[in-house]
Amino acid sequence: SYELTQPLSVSVALGQTARITCGGNNIGSKNVHWYQQKPGQAPVLVIYRDSNRPSGIPERFSGSNSGNTATLTISRAQAGDEADYYCQVWDSSTANVVFGGGTKLTVL
Amino acid sequence: QLQLQESGPGLVKPSETLSLTCTVSGGSISSSSYYWGWIRQPPGKGLEWIGSIYYSGSTYYNPSLKSRVTISVDTSKNQFSLKLSSVTAADTAVYYCARHVEAVAGHYYYYYMDVWGKGTTVTVSS
Repeated sequence: SYELTQPLSVSVALGQTARITCGGNNIGSKNVHWYQQKPGQAPVLVIYRDSNRPSGIPERFSGSNSGNTATLTISRAQAGDEADYYCQVWDSSTANVVFGGGTKLTVL
Repeated sequence: QLQLQESGPGLVKPSETLSLTCTVSGGSISSSSYYWGWIRQPPGKGLEWIGSIYYSGSTYYNPSLKSRVTISVDTSKNQFSLKLSSVTAADTAVYYCARHVEAVAGHYYYYYMDVWGKGTTVTVSS
C-alpha cells in the first residue's frame, strides 16, 4: 500500500518561513492535499491539488509537489499557525485515501 | 453554508457494532461530484480514513477496515451513516464525517475533504 512520510515536528521562528515535507514514492505524479488541525478541532483543508488554496486560507500558505516530495510552505509564520499538519493523497491502485502521519508545527 | 454534524452513542461495548450518523445541512447530499465519508483519529494519533459513499450508493472502503465497515446513505433525510462491527478498544477515537470532493486529473479521479464535521468521541469499553 502507498505510504506518506512526514517529519514528526518542525519548528520555526515567528515571522520566518516554515516548510513541512511529505515524502512518497513518485508523489509528484499524484495530487497532494494538506490539512491543518488545531488542538480539539476538526482538520481544515489549507491546500488542495498540490498548490491551490481554498477560499479563506491566507496567501502565506503555499504548496509544491515534485519527484518524491511534496512541501507545504508557511510564510511569515504566526503563533496562530501552530497546529498539526497532515498531507493526503488518493491511492488509485487500492482506491484508498492515504494520510501522512502528521507534523506538529511549533512557532518559537 | 454547508455543515455536517455527527451523532451517535459515545460508548460502545467490545464486540458490538458502532453506529454513527452524519446529518448534512445547507446543501444536498445528492449533489454530483461529491462523496461523503468518515475519518477517525485515535487519542493522540493521526488521521485514518474509513470510507466514503456517493448518493447513488457507490462506496469506497479502507482495505484494512473493509471487512467490518458499512457506509449507507439516506437521501430523503440528507444523512449518511457508518456501522463498524466487532469493535475493540483500538476503535476508540474521534470520528469525523466529511464531504469528499471528487475531481479528475488526466485519466483518473482523486479525492480530498473540503468540509468536516466537528467530530464525535466514541469510546469502546465494557
